Amino acid sequence: EIVMTQSPATLSVSPGERATLSCRASQTVRTNLAWYQQKPGQAPRLLIYGASTRATGIPARFSGSGSGTEFTLTISSLQSEDFAVYYCQQYNNWPPWTFGQGTKVEIK
Amino acid sequence: QVQLQESGPGLVKPSETLSLTCSVSGGSISSYYWSWIRQPPGKGLEWIGYTHYSGSTNYNPSLKSRVTISLDTSKNQFSLRLSSVTAADTAVYYCALSLTAGDRFDPWGQGTLVTVSS
Repeated sequence: EIVMTQSPATLSVSPGERATLSCRASQTVRTNLAWYQQKPGQAPRLLIYGASTRATGIPARFSGSGSGTEFTLTISSLQSEDFAVYYCQQYNNWPPWTFGQGTKVEIK
Repeated sequence: QVQLQESGPGLVKPSETLSLTCSVSGGSISSYYWSWIRQPPGKGLEWIGYTHYSGSTNYNPSLKSRVTISLDTSKNQFSLRLSSVTAADTAVYYCALSLTAGDRFDPWGQGTLVTVSS
C-alpha cells in the first residue's frame, strides 16, 4: 500500500497570501495524483487531477505540480472561501487508492 | 451532470451489518466505476471499494473480508454492506464516481453519518 504524507498538518495564512501544501508518496505514483478540498460538513471536492490539471470550474489561483513522489498544491492568493482541509490522493497503485491525512488551511 | 445521494440507517448495533445505498441521477450506472469511501469523525479518508456494471469489484484489503458492494441497474443504484461492525466503523460514508478503475473521484455524494452503538 502506498502511504501518502502531507505537510504541514496545519497552515496559518492571511487572506491574500500564498499557500503552499506538500504531499509525498512512499513510492512513485508518476502523475496519478489528485487534490481535494473539504469544508466542514461537506464532501470533498476535486480540485486537481493528473498532478497539475484543474478540474472543471476550479479557479486559476489553484495550481498543482510535481511527479513521482513529491507534489505541491499552491493557492496563489487565499480567498475567504479557501480556508478548508486539503487532501491528496494517489491512483497509480491500487487497491487500495490512498489519501494523505490532510492539511488544514486556517486564517492567520 | 451526475449526482449521487447516499441513504440508509444512521445507527447500527455492534456485530450487525451496515447497509447503505447510493442513488445515481443524471447518468447511467451502466458506465464508470462506483466507489464507497468513508471518513471517521475528525479523521481522514479511507477508500472501501468499487463496483462496475461488468460485475467487477475491488475492495480495500483491510476491509475485504467484511465488505460487499453491488449494483442494481434497474434502480440506478449501488449498495454497500459491511458486516460485523464495531465502533471503529463509525464514520461518514460517501459514494463517488471514477471514470476508470484507476482514477480520481468526481463527483461525490454529500455523505451520510453512520454510528455504531448499542
